[in-house]
Amino acid sequence: EAQVTQNPRYLITVTGKKLTVTCSQNMNHEYMSWYRQDPGLGLRQIYYSMNVEVTDKGDVPEGYKVSRKEKRNFPLILESPSPNQTSLYFCASRPTGTGELFFGEGSRLTVL
Amino acid sequence: GDSVTQMEGPVTLSEEAFLTINCTYTATGYPSLFWYVQYPGEGLQLLLKATKADDKGSNKGFEATYRKETTSFHLEKGSVQVSDSAVYFCALSYNTDKLIFGTGTRLQVFP
Repeated sequence: EAQVTQNPRYLITVTGKKLTVTCSQNMNHEYMSWYRQDPGLGLRQIYYSMNVEVTDKGDVPEGYKVSRKEKRNFPLILESPSPNQTSLYFCASRPTGTGELFFGEGSRLTVL
Repeated sequence: GDSVTQMEGPVTLSEEAFLTINCTYTATGYPSLFWYVQYPGEGLQLLLKATKADDKGSNKGFEATYRKETTSFHLEKGSVQVSDSAVYFCALSYNTDKLIFGTGTRLQVFP
């Protein structure tokens, strides 16, 4: 089954404790992206990657890092999480040349 | 810059009512337009799309027409069901770039 898989789905952590949210897709898509969803703000792009070893900032990259060492994986790293990073995070991928994104089920992160 | 504006929600309807969710966009070029739906506890999934002016996207009884003259892409359905309750996002993209999303409109359908 074609899918984008994120882990963990739910996480509660404390300020400053590094964490990684993993994302993996099995559709051989070159493009992958991370979004955060906040009430009243919709989805905002954090980082995206057009291909292996190519990553770029989105609209709200501060406080986040990503890497793309393999085509299928695109982890999101919070080196020192803060409460304003409490949000619902979505990983997505898409085929080259189309606008159709395939989303993971989301990771709800709470930073205390 | 490019942007998408959606009507505020929630939209509350009775089953079998007619649905319209308004979406207007601002674009410097000629983007493709999309409607995504997010069911409770799930990620977004593509509902329909239109790639050029006057195109009509349709799926699951939902329709939207790409109106360049009014820069709109309103979502419509003739008869909603309880199972249509979800958050609907309008978005635009130039296909080689990111999607720009609206803020989403929550639809609640009651029996």
